[in-house]
Amino acid sequence: QSVLTQPPSASGAPGQRVTISCSGGTSNIGSHAVNWYQQFPGTAPRVLIYTDNQRPSGVPDRFSGSKSGTSASLAISGLQSEDEADYYCATWDDSLIGAVFGGGTKLTVL
Amino acid sequence: EVQLVESGGGSVQPGGSLRLSCAASGFTFSSYGMSWVRQAPGKGLEWVSYISSSGFTIHYAGSAKGRFTSSRDNDKNSLYLQMNSLRAEDTAVYYCAGTYSTDTDWYFDLWGRGTLVTVSS
Repeated sequence: QSVLTQPPSASGAPGQRVTISCSGGTSNIGSHAVNWYQQFPGTAPRVLIYTDNQRPSGVPDRFSGSKSGTSASLAISGLQSEDEADYYCATWDDSLIGAVFGGGTKLTVL
Repeated sequence: EVQLVESGGGSVQPGGSLRLSCAASGFTFSSYGMSWVRQAPGKGLEWVSYISSSGFTIHYAGSAKGRFTSSRDNDKNSLYLQMNSLRAEDTAVYYCAGTYSTDTDWYFDLWGRGTLVTVSS
């Protein structure tokens, strides 16, 4: 059972917009910035969104992050087949005194 | 080019020990906090430990406390994870990750390719 709750799966057709949610609590998302990671099978994760809504260089602006209270979301617009991957949210938890991840969401492009 | 290269993984029996290493290059290692993150086969990501740039601050996940020890050698640009009393549930790919941290922000912006640890009799 992950501290941060994500839907296990999400899907959309090419060109559509998909949103992945991440729900937490006051000791984690409510107190700290949220980050999102993208992972393709057999490869290491990479940071996709940091500090709630910032994109590292090289990440397309089709990817955006937002946060409100104890929940966060990752939105992917103009869905492309190469977006098919696993997505994880993460942050720090003051109660656990450690970093916490969501369980991950497998995105399928139909 | 920024690189993190893990090594030291392998197969070990329950109760055994392993020492993972992570060699860093292409960035100022001594200025970077570092973490270990693991991923069991077919499962999600799990943070294991964090060590500050100086090595003075170390945090562990509950699953690692008392069994794993994180350390670093800034002169050798290297990060280590000593794992003792290994259990089957420690079987995972272990990633070394460069970590940005402040009072309100925390993320892993550099990742190695990982090293596989298998605990089995």
